[in-house]
Amino acid sequence: EAQVTQNPRYLITVTGKKLTVTCSQNMNHEYMSWYRQDPGLGLRQIYYSMNVEVTDKGDVPEGYKVSRKEKRNFPLILESPSPNQTSLYFCASSAKLGYNEQFFGPGTRLTVL
Amino acid sequence: GDSVTQMEGPVTLSEEAFLTINCTYTATGYPSLFWYVQYPGEGLQLLLKATKADDKGSNKGFEATYRKETTSFHLEKGSVQVSDSAVYFCALSSGGFQKLVFGTGTRLLVSP
Repeated sequence: EAQVTQNPRYLITVTGKKLTVTCSQNMNHEYMSWYRQDPGLGLRQIYYSMNVEVTDKGDVPEGYKVSRKEKRNFPLILESPSPNQTSLYFCASSAKLGYNEQFFGPGTRLTVL
Repeated sequence: GDSVTQMEGPVTLSEEAFLTINCTYTATGYPSLFWYVQYPGEGLQLLLKATKADDKGSNKGFEATYRKETTSFHLEKGSVQVSDSAVYFCALSSGGFQKLVFGTGTRLLVSP
């Protein structure tokens, strides 16, 4: 089954404790992206990757890092989480060219105390 | 920059009522337009899309027409069901690029 998986689905942590949210897709997609969803703001792009070893900032990259060492994986790293990073995070992937459908993971709800 | 504006919710309807969720956009060039749906506890799923002016996207009884003259992409359904209760997001993508710009989402609540 074609899908995007994220782990963990729920995470409660404390300020400053480094964490990683994993994202994996099995569709051989070149493009992957991270979004955060906040009430009244919709979804905003954090980082994206056009291919292996190619990443770039989205609209709200501060406080986040990403890596793309393999095509299928695109982890989101919070080196020193802060309470304003409490949010619902979604990973998405799509084929690179054209206006193709983006496939979304189930989301990771992060709470930073 | 590009932006999408959606009507605020929640939209509360009875089963079999007619649904309209308004969406307007601002973009340079000729964007593609999308409606995504988010069911409770799930990620977003593509509902329908339109890639050029006057195109009509349709799926599961939902429709939206790309209106370049009014920069709109309103979502409609003739008869909603309880199972349509979800959050609906209008989005655009422009420049042949995969980035999506989302509206703030509209929650739809359908009662029996």
